[in-house]
Amino acid sequence: EAQVTQNPRYLITVTGKKLTVTCSQNMNHEYMSWYRQDPGLGLRQIYYSMNVEVTDKGDVPEGYKVSRKEKRNFPLILESPSPNQTSLYFCASSLAGYNSPLHFGNGTRLTVT
Amino acid sequence: AQKVTQAQTEISVVEKEDVTLDCVYETRDTTYYLFWYKQPPSGELVFLIRRNSFDEQNEISGRYSWNFQKSTSSFNFTITASQVVDSAVYFCALSEGGGVASGGSNYKLTFGKGTLLTVNP
Repeated sequence: EAQVTQNPRYLITVTGKKLTVTCSQNMNHEYMSWYRQDPGLGLRQIYYSMNVEVTDKGDVPEGYKVSRKEKRNFPLILESPSPNQTSLYFCASSLAGYNSPLHFGNGTRLTVT
Repeated sequence: AQKVTQAQTEISVVEKEDVTLDCVYETRDTTYYLFWYKQPPSGELVFLIRRNSFDEQNEISGRYSWNFQKSTSSFNFTITASQVVDSAVYFCALSEGGGVASGGSNYKLTFGKGTLLTVNP
């Protein structure tokens, strides 16, 4: 089954404790991206990647890192999480970037205390 | 910079009513794509439709229809004879084509803040 898999679904952590949210897709998609969803703010892009080793900042990249060492994986790294990063995170992939529909993962709800 | 405005934060209708969700966008590019996504209460995000800037034909898919008007920079979504299962947050999104006007940002996708549609029985 074609899908984007995010893990974990729920994560509670403390300020400053490094964490990684994994994202993997099995559709051989070129493009992958991370979004955060906050009430009243909609979905905002954090980082995106057009291909292996090619990443770029979205609208809200501060406090996040990403890497794209393999085509199928695009982990989101929070080196030192803070409470303002408490949010619902979505990973997404698409065949070719801006002109292709996104396939989303099921989301990761992160709480930073 | 690209921008998407969904002015309706929440809409509540009674089943079988028709409802239109508004989406207004801003872009300096001549090549761009518009999308609608649905987020039901279960939380997943589901793609509904894509439109490119050169195709102004309206589209109908069952009870769903989309009206794309470049003259007013709008891409509105209408649900005919709404059903309870249509209750969801709906997002409009814009992606620019990576031309000079967009600063070469081929792959940034901007979402509106979403419209929460509640269909009551």
